[in-house]
Amino acid sequence: QVQLKESGPGLVQPSQTLSLTCTVSGFSLTSNSVHWVRQPPGKGLEWVGAIWSGGSTDYNSALKSRLSISRDTSKSQVFLKMNSLQTEDTAIYFCTGYGLDYWGQGVMVTVSS
Amino acid sequence: DVLMTQTPVSLPVSLGGQVSISCRSSQSLVHSDGNTYLHWYLQKPGQSPQLLIYRVSNRFSGVPDRFSGSGSGTDFTLKISRVEPEDLGVYYCLQSTHFPNTFGAGTKLELK
Repeated sequence: QVQLKESGPGLVQPSQTLSLTCTVSGFSLTSNSVHWVRQPPGKGLEWVGAIWSGGSTDYNSALKSRLSISRDTSKSQVFLKMNSLQTEDTAIYFCTGYGLDYWGQGVMVTVSS
Repeated sequence: DVLMTQTPVSLPVSLGGQVSISCRSSQSLVHSDGNTYLHWYLQKPGQSPQLLIYRVSNRFSGVPDRFSGSGSGTDFTLKISRVEPEDLGVYYCLQSTHFPNTFGAGTKLELK
């Protein structure tokens, strides 16, 4: 049974760094990709980036300069780090597995002082 | 980036009825490998999106046959027949042929 769970701080101050963790079960990170998608309150979905089975990454070009995705395969965890956060980064952040087939419940991140 | 245009924005429906949602892309979604990476998701209120249809017309595991997808190139359609209460929510199309992946803005299916 494929499961994904996001975790991280609910509140981040402007200009600070966001760190999120996606813990997966039911599949191997070395065989499948994990993506991050975000959704501002009341708005649509935006693809953030991905880490592929081989460990390479791809990022949304609009976020690339601030974004880093990595993983720890021994712990079945994927990490998202985004720096220089602004209020526009306030959103629910989802991780997805098997590409974009399975989604976690999401974690709400608010950027505010 | 590939622009995904979904219509309509809002779609009133009666239970038991049939509806169609359109998704058009700003460029062809045919990949160099011959596949077309156009997918459909449903986001129910307060939930995360769930995959319904992958690669244009393939129903994901557990998705009832009331849902069907069709289309090619730049023009795609999701059809829902015999609408049930659990079908209500926002439908999104997603293209993953070209980077970055891009979503449509969503179509809200609601009761008349």
